[in-house]
Parts: sequence; structure tokens; C-alpha cells
Amino acid sequence: EAGVTQFPSHSVIEKGQTVTLRCDPISGHDNLYWYRRVMGKEIKFLLHFVKESKQDESGMPNNRFLAERTGGTYSTLKVQPAELEDSGVYFCASSPQGLANTGELFFGEGSRLTVL
Amino acid sequence: AQSVAQPEDQVNVAEGNPLTVKCTYSVSGNPYLFWYVQYPNRGLQFLLKYITGDNLVKGSYGFEAEFNKSQTSFHLKKPSALVSDSALYFCAVRGAYSSASKIIFGSGTRLSIRP
Repeated sequence: EAGVTQFPSHSVIEKGQTVTLRCDPISGHDNLYWYRRVMGKEIKFLLHFVKESKQDESGMPNNRFLAERTGGTYSTLKVQPAELEDSGVYFCASSPQGLANTGELFFGEGSRLTVL
Repeated sequence: AQSVAQPEDQVNVAEGNPLTVKCTYSVSGNPYLFWYVQYPNRGLQFLLKYITGDNLVKGSYGFEAEFNKSQTSFHLKKPSALVSDSALYFCAVRGAYSSASKIIFGSGTRLSIRP
């Protein structure tokens, strides 16, 4: 069974440009999460989808970030326009409903974003 | 507010020795506690969890963790370290009455096992 896959693995862009990160969760996992780790600090929650609906987006830093999960399958996270402080590793995780209730998540390898 | 503290950025242990990676937490109500591990160039991998019951929980690769309510701690332990245990370890918590979204991670502890 394929795990959570994320693309690209690394993106280098200039300040003001746009980047779109993609996450393909494990097939059948209704729950999809985005997290971010900046500068070696803690991994911070961004948002949570249940199928195609945003269950919780309280962690999204500002309106430059837009997440979508059309059709309840893969998800995209767009940063537009990117700022220097957006640099970090963006993790996607998924979970089936039973495990999601107790917080056991399956993570992708992350997308490293560098904004110059 | 929920929070997790991992006081050590790095822990160095000789192979064969016991290891401990520390974690303390703050949460309203009963905690759900987790340890995740990240090997180089890999995603985070679930290691073990405490939900309820026995305070000592056992997980993958011979790891275990002890829930201590009075000290609000959930330290990760292993009796005999292996070089292959070298990785980045994250402690995480959420309150029992919080949504699954609100899983709070610590800043991570890099474990280095020398041969």
C-alpha cells in the first residue's frame, strides 16, 4: 500500500512568487492534515480536512495560504505571494476515521520550501 | 492552552546503553500522548501512544514510554540503544476532549547513538 506522498520534495522560489504543494493521502483516508515546521522549531498544525470539507483551519497563518481538497482525494496548499518567513518543511498527514479520533497520523516525507 | 516541551535539543548515547528522551506537557483534562520518529529523508512515523490504562506503554522497535500524571511527563525510553535508533523524535499531545486536529507537537529531540 502506498503511503502519503508529497510533491515537490523541495522548492526554491523568490519572495513574491507563488508555490503550490500537493499531497496524496493514503487511499481511503478521509482525514487529511497539513503541518509546518519552521527553522527547526515545533511542528505546527495548519489545517484539517474531513473528505473535501475543512474541519479546522485555525492554524493557517494568513490569507496568503489557501488549501483545497476537491473531491476529497488529494490536497493542495498554495502560498501566494510567498514571504521569507514561509520557508520551512510542510508536512501532510492522513488518517482513517477510527485512528484520527486518537491522533495516530500517517505522515508524508514533507515538502521543503525555501523562499529567497 | 495545550503545549509540549522537549527540553533537550540533542541526546547522545553509546550503543548498548539505556536511553531516555524527555517530554513534558500541559493540557486541559486527560491527555492523549504520542511519540513520533523521523528518520533521515523520511516522514514522521508513529511510535507509540498513551490513551488510558497502564502508565507504561510499549511501541515499535523496542521503545516504551511512561506516563506520569503528577509530573505531567511522558518520557521515551529504551533499555539498550542501537545505532539505527539515531533519528529525530517528536513528542505530541492532545486533550481527550479536543478535536483530533488539535495535536500539538514538540520541537523535537535529535537522538544520536554512537557505536
